[in-house]
Amino acid sequence: DVKVTQSSRYLVKRTGEKVFLECVQDMDHENMFWYRQDPGLGLRLIYFSYDVKMKEKGDIPEGYSVSREKKERFSLILESASTNQTSMYLCASRGGVSTDTQYFGPGTRLTVL
Amino acid sequence: AQRVTQPEKLLSVFKGAPVELKCNYSYSGSPELFWYVQYSRQRLQLLLRHISRESIKGFTADLNKGETSFHLKKPFAQEEDSAMYYCALRPNTDKLIFGTGTRLQVFP
Repeated sequence: DVKVTQSSRYLVKRTGEKVFLECVQDMDHENMFWYRQDPGLGLRLIYFSYDVKMKEKGDIPEGYSVSREKKERFSLILESASTNQTSMYLCASRGGVSTDTQYFGPGTRLTVL
Repeated sequence: AQRVTQPEKLLSVFKGAPVELKCNYSYSGSPELFWYVQYSRQRLQLLLRHISRESIKGFTADLNKGETSFHLKKPFAQEEDSAMYYCALRPNTDKLIFGTGTRLQVFP
C-alpha cells in the first residue's frame, strides 16, 4: 500500500516568512509532484521531479522552489510567503513510466497572515 | 492548448437518481484520461482510468474522441458517492492536467 505523508496538516505563517513543506513517499517512486488546490481552480501543478536532484516547473512555479535530495523526499519551499499563497498543498508520487496512477498525500492547509 | 473542462461546479441529485459528471478535454494527441475522487476528509485518489474500461463503485466513463469528452456516469447515485470529482488528462508520461472539479451532492 503506497504511503505518501506530508509533514503538517495545518500551518500558519506570516507574510515574508520562509516556509518548508515536506513530502515523503515509501514506495521508491521516481516521480513526485506538488500541487495547490483552490476552490474553483482545481489542482494546479507547481513543480515536479522525475529523479533525485531533478526538477521541472509546472504551471504556477512563481514564488516557489523545490528540493529533492533523496528519492523518497520532495520539499516545497516558499522563499517569502505571501497572502496569495494561502492554499491547500498536495503532494503526489508516481512510480515509473508505465505506472499511470498518482498517489496523493493528505494535504497541508497553509494560511499566510 | 491542453485543457480539461468540467463545466459544473456543483451537481445535486437525490439518492437513486442517475448521475453524469461532465468532462471535456482539449488535446491534439491520443489522450489518457482519468477520474480522481476526494471524499470528505480523505485524500485524493484515483477512481478510474479510461484505458482500463473498468467500472468502479458503479461508475463508468467512456472516452468519446469525436466529442472530446470523458463523462463520468452512474445509473443510481448513493449518498456515499458525495465527493469532489476531478477529471484529469495525461498528455505525456510526466504530468497530469486537472479540471476544476465538480462537487457531487447526493441527498437522501
